[in-house]
Amino acid sequence: DADVTQTPRNRITKTGKRIMLECSQTKGHDRMYWYRQDPGLGLRLIYYSFDVKDINKGEISDGYSVSRQAQAKFSLSLESAIPNQTALYFCATSDWGGVHNEQFFGPGTRLTVL
Amino acid sequence: EDQVTQSPEALRLQEGESSSLNCSYTVSGLRGLFWYRQDPGKGPEFLFTLYSAGEEKEKERLKATLTKKESFLHITAPKPEDSATYLCAVLGTGFQKLVFGTGTRLLVSP
Repeated sequence: DADVTQTPRNRITKTGKRIMLECSQTKGHDRMYWYRQDPGLGLRLIYYSFDVKDINKGEISDGYSVSRQAQAKFSLSLESAIPNQTALYFCATSDWGGVHNEQFFGPGTRLTVL
Repeated sequence: EDQVTQSPEALRLQEGESSSLNCSYTVSGLRGLFWYRQDPGKGPEFLFTLYSAGEEKEKERLKATLTKKESFLHITAPKPEDSATYLCAVLGTGFQKLVFGTGTRLLVSP
């Protein structure tokens, strides 16, 4: 089984709809992240959480919200989707502190907003 | 502000034709430089972490090196299955999150 899973894998929705993307991990990591990827712009951080009680905005948080339901679960919501939120969304996890800081990514959710 | 620039944007090689990808960075105190491989429609897959200038790491046909201003990903005798986008990212001491470059798309033809 994959260490980081995302649901749904693909979603088509309409402008104004509320959408939730879910991420679960079995790696036992404390830190979780949400990114979006657009052609030519690379990966951009939306929100991150260093533990269940910690939520932080990334560089492009406007129009998004998150919920850290448990150590293993981190959800991203689009309260009122708009077409320029069409993108590939990735969840990632990392361990806390120490020397090793690499992030491990889920398979992604392709979101299309019409 | 931490920044990462990767070059070239795209690279086409013949099978067996060795080359290098570049990752230039500016960061306020480097905690780590990371290389990832990403296949189309999939999540980035972790390859290497480099922590200090002079460090090198190898995995199969890939070798990553690090200086104080840039990192290179050397690909020796590539095969078609090495075709992917290679992403570089840095983690600085000022912020606790990765800053990614836009990647190099590598295509290896048989």
